[in-house]
Amino acid sequence: DAKTTQPNSMESNEEEPVHLPCNHSTISGTDYIHWYRQLPSQGPEYVIHGLTSNVNNRMASLAIAEDRKSSTLILHRATLRDAAVYYCILRDPRDDKIIFGKGTRLHILP
Amino acid sequence: KAGVTQTPRYLIKTRGQQVTLSCSPISGHRSVSWYQQTPGQGLQFLFEYFSETQRNKGNFPGRFSGRQFSNSRSEMNVSTLELGDSALYLCASSSLGAGELFFGEGSRLTVL
Repeated sequence: DAKTTQPNSMESNEEEPVHLPCNHSTISGTDYIHWYRQLPSQGPEYVIHGLTSNVNNRMASLAIAEDRKSSTLILHRATLRDAAVYYCILRDPRDDKIIFGKGTRLHILP
Repeated sequence: KAGVTQTPRYLIKTRGQQVTLSCSPISGHRSVSWYQQTPGQGLQFLFEYFSETQRNKGNFPGRFSGRQFSNSRSEMNVSTLELGDSALYLCASSSLGAGELFFGEGSRLTVL
């Protein structure tokens, strides 16, 4: 079973921020939270990852709850090219058996 | 630097045949993992190799096997193909630790 739970789909308007939630209530202390996205006919693409603190990069921001049982991927200004399936996964560097959930299909409306 | 390369990109086989897929990781990456993606089951973990050793295996039958060579290139093999093995097979490479996974574009297998 997937260790993370995400909404099946979300919709957002172009040029608006998007907040993609992920629940991971069984996270262990050594699990890193990773986000990937998959565009049609492509392999998944890394977006961002973090352990405890919030993280920012050129693609997105990752907000991690204080108890680490949930996180939110933030796309600050969505574009049509951000339409994809977004996966939140847990990755333990000691045990690289990664379980993907169904992900969230993000639709961007022009 | 060059990304993860998977070959072949597309292939068609018939039931009962076997297939070998190849994955060349990013230079310097020693971990390679394999996934099967189908519309019904999503992305499912097959196995992961590090320095020629299989460290983890997903819940797939023994018909699915893999190996990793000393140059970190990896192959996976599926024997006695079934219709349900039709899928996109993805591999990903990473360096040691919890850093990002780099995925290839996948090998799309169709079993007739």
